[in-house]
Amino acid sequence: NAGVTQTPKFRILKIGQSMTLQCAQDMNHNYMYWYRQDPGMGLKLIYYSVGAGITDKGEVPNGYNVSRSTTEDFPLRLELAAPSQTSVYFCASGGTGNTEAFFGQGTRLTVV
Amino acid sequence: GDSVTQMEGPVTLSEEAFLTINCTYTATGYPSLFWYVQYPGEGLQLLLKATKADDKGSNKGFEATYRKETTSFHLEKGSVQVSDSAVYFCALKGSSGSARQLTFGSGTQLTVLP
Repeated sequence: NAGVTQTPKFRILKIGQSMTLQCAQDMNHNYMYWYRQDPGMGLKLIYYSVGAGITDKGEVPNGYNVSRSTTEDFPLRLELAAPSQTSVYFCASGGTGNTEAFFGQGTRLTVV
Repeated sequence: GDSVTQMEGPVTLSEEAFLTINCTYTATGYPSLFWYVQYPGEGLQLLLKATKADDKGSNKGFEATYRKETTSFHLEKGSVQVSDSAVYFCALKGSSGSARQLTFGSGTQLTVLP
């Protein structure tokens, strides 16, 4: 029972490089989320999606892009990486209604 | 928009002490409320939830009651253990339309000493 799978687990990027963080869920959830967690801080919502083909900005979307072409996948794209994007990124998915969200194990990204 | 205000940490307790972590929220309508726990190096796990006013969520000895009149969802445990050391997050899920984001508080670091 995989749940929410994030890849890679760790990555080091140079300033100006680009990369895609992958997120896949096998629970047929409509809702998917991307959060970042800075050291000692809470979670900030980057983007979320309420279904395939629908995405919305969260609190801190600048410097990121997402797409949701299938129910299962919700990749997060970083263009022109900056040191301020050094963080741990969490993907989550959840059903409609009052159901909770399930989290992946996170991707630790360092931009140098 | 929706928001969650959580008790500042860190909190340090001795084993078997009583724990309270305060959480209050601002939201329109009738949100669902959650407590998540994050152990070092891991993702967040659901600890408990409540979906309507006066509901009590409970799990592993932790409890929280959804109080609409005070817009609160405080986490309590009668006797903490060293294994409860973790970061605890209060969260809410909006009740309609674009408000169906999952909004988190800032987290409270709990350390339990033997």
